[in-house]
Amino acid sequence: KAGVTQTPRYLIKTRGQQVTLSCSPISGHRSVSWYQQTPGQGLQFLFEYFSETQRNKGNFPGRFSGRQFSNSRSEMNVSTLELGDSALYLCASSYGRRGDTQYFGPGTRLTVL
Amino acid sequence: KQEVTQIPAALSVPEGENLVLNCSFTDSAIYNLQWFRQDPGKGLTSLLLIQSSQREQTSGRLNASLDKSSGRSTLYIAASQPGDSATYLCAASIQGAQKLVFGQGTRLTINP
Repeated sequence: KAGVTQTPRYLIKTRGQQVTLSCSPISGHRSVSWYQQTPGQGLQFLFEYFSETQRNKGNFPGRFSGRQFSNSRSEMNVSTLELGDSALYLCASSYGRRGDTQYFGPGTRLTVL
Repeated sequence: KQEVTQIPAALSVPEGENLVLNCSFTDSAIYNLQWFRQDPGKGLTSLLLIQSSQREQTSGRLNASLDKSSGRSTLYIAASQPGDSATYLCAASIQGAQKLVFGQGTRLTINP
């Protein structure tokens, strides 16, 4: 079974631009969660989508948004990029039942200049 | 608010030693506790998941325990090898949400 895939793997953007990251979950998984990892804050939960609906949301500004498609693929968008948005963005997929094991993708490394 | 802490932040041991990594959490209302491994610049690899009703889980040389009453989990690695060098993260699954709260990780180095 193929694992979680994320594209692109690396991105360089400048302040003020916007960016879209993509995540394809493991086949059969209906839940996709997004996390931001930085050296200072560690891994922080952004949001979770299940069956095309945002089910949970972390404490991030409205510049961070996401969506999920009918095939469970998910996209995350960050508008008006700031230097502090530089991070490794990880997505995780699961069947979506509470307490399920979450399987992580390789991440997208975003650098904001 | 759930907080997860891992001590120590870094650990260096010679090859062949048995070692224990520690994880503590503030709220015992968790669904499960998951241990991950992260190699530099890579994503997370799930190692073990302990449901809240369980006390421990084992996979090969790894054994994870969970004590909800004291808010602690440990990851025991037997007969460590240089390939075990990585950052180990524990994460608590929050009740009522498909959300993981992570510790800051322990960076483990196994010296040949």
